Amino acid sequence: DGGITQSPKYLFRKEGQNVTLSCEQNLNHDAMYWYRQDPGQGLRLIYYSQIVNDFQKGDIAEGYSVSREKKESFPLTVTSAQKNPTAFYLCASSISANSYEQYFGPGTRLTVT
Amino acid sequence: QKEVEQNSGPLSVPEGAIASLNCTYSDRGSQSFFWYRQYSGKSPELIMFIYSNGDKEDGRFTAQLNKASQYVSLLIRDSQPSDSATYLCAVNPYAGGTSYGKLTFGQGTILTVHP
Repeated sequence: DGGITQSPKYLFRKEGQNVTLSCEQNLNHDAMYWYRQDPGQGLRLIYYSQIVNDFQKGDIAEGYSVSREKKESFPLTVTSAQKNPTAFYLCASSISANSYEQYFGPGTRLTVT
Repeated sequence: QKEVEQNSGPLSVPEGAIASLNCTYSDRGSQSFFWYRQYSGKSPELIMFIYSNGDKEDGRFTAQLNKASQYVSLLIRDSQPSDSATYLCAVNPYAGGTSYGKLTFGQGTILTVHP
């Protein structure tokens, strides 16, 4: 089955710890994206990558880091510098950066206490 | 003014009725418009996209775009309880080429279809 996988589904961490969220796709899509969603709000873009070994900051990149070493993988690290890390994190991909049709993985719900 | 605005609802309609969801956007240069459906606790699912003025129909869903009024809507005909979800409007904001691949989302409208 083709699709986007995110793991784990739920993640719990103590404040001050870095945590890495996994995102893998086997759709052969060039572009990948990370969003966060807070209760009752829309999605906000954290980082995006148009092609392997390249990525750009989105609207709320502070406290986050990413890498894109392989086409199918785009992990997101939530660092201890992120002030309010508890949120629903969604990874998406599109065929190419000039295709705006984005498809989402199932998401990871991160809780930091 | 928010870049993409939706009435947060909740919008409640009886089963079998037409549900009308609305979205306005601020960037007049926007070119691409999307509707996502998000069930509670799940990720968004792309259900419609529209690029040109007018209507686009897909089954029970119709997307309507009016670029002059900066307005996009989603109509759901013969609404079913399974349509109860949050509907997110997303827009590609044109910014002289720097918005390549980026979408801006509204906060979503909660739709409840009651039997």
